[in-house]
Amino acid sequence: DTAVSQTPKYLVTQMGNDKSIKCEQNLGHDTMYWYKQDSKKFLKIMFSYNNKELIINETVPNRFSPKSPDKAHLNLHINSLELGDSAVYFCASSSRQLRGNEQFFGPGTRLTVL
Amino acid sequence: ELKVEQNPLFLSMQEGKNYTIYCNYSTTSDRLYWYRQDPGKSLESLFVLLSNGAVKQEGRLMASLDTKARLSTLHITAAVHDLSATYFCAVQYNTDKLIFGTGTRLQVFP
Repeated sequence: DTAVSQTPKYLVTQMGNDKSIKCEQNLGHDTMYWYKQDSKKFLKIMFSYNNKELIINETVPNRFSPKSPDKAHLNLHINSLELGDSAVYFCASSSRQLRGNEQFFGPGTRLTVL
Repeated sequence: ELKVEQNPLFLSMQEGKNYTIYCNYSTTSDRLYWYRQDPGKSLESLFVLLSNGAVKQEGRLMASLDTKARLSTLHITAAVHDLSATYFCAVQYNTDKLIFGTGTRLQVFP
């Protein structure tokens, strides 16, 4: 199936731990994104990579570090997790040449920090 | 920075009725997107509006864009229960950045 996939789907961890979320897309897109959706369902962009180059880096604590090993993958590593990091993290991808740069979203990773 | 406001935030409507969700944004943009999100699920793309006056329809939903008024509408015709979900508009800002509205939670009851 062509899609944006994320692992894991659920992540429960203790404060202070370090964790990673992985994202892969097989849509042939050149741009990938990380979004955070908080408990009030508000969606905010965190990072974006175009052809492995970081192009959007919002005001996010530097405990969050994205990495894009290639155009099809975008990972998010979070150090020293805090309670406020609990949220759903969505990966998305798009192509500037297709469908008006429409973004396609992954299934989300629900992170709970205890 | 671009701000995107949706209203209403919550909409409870009876099956068979019509209603409109509004999306206002604060800075010039000619690209606007509508997404649907079911509880606990991902975001599903509904419409891509790329120019002033663009109108798209799919089933009971119709979206339009007025870039001069910085306004998009999502019109629901003869609502059915399956349309119950949260609807987000998102405005493109600086090529790749999407700024999302607050979402409108729609509940359709018999």
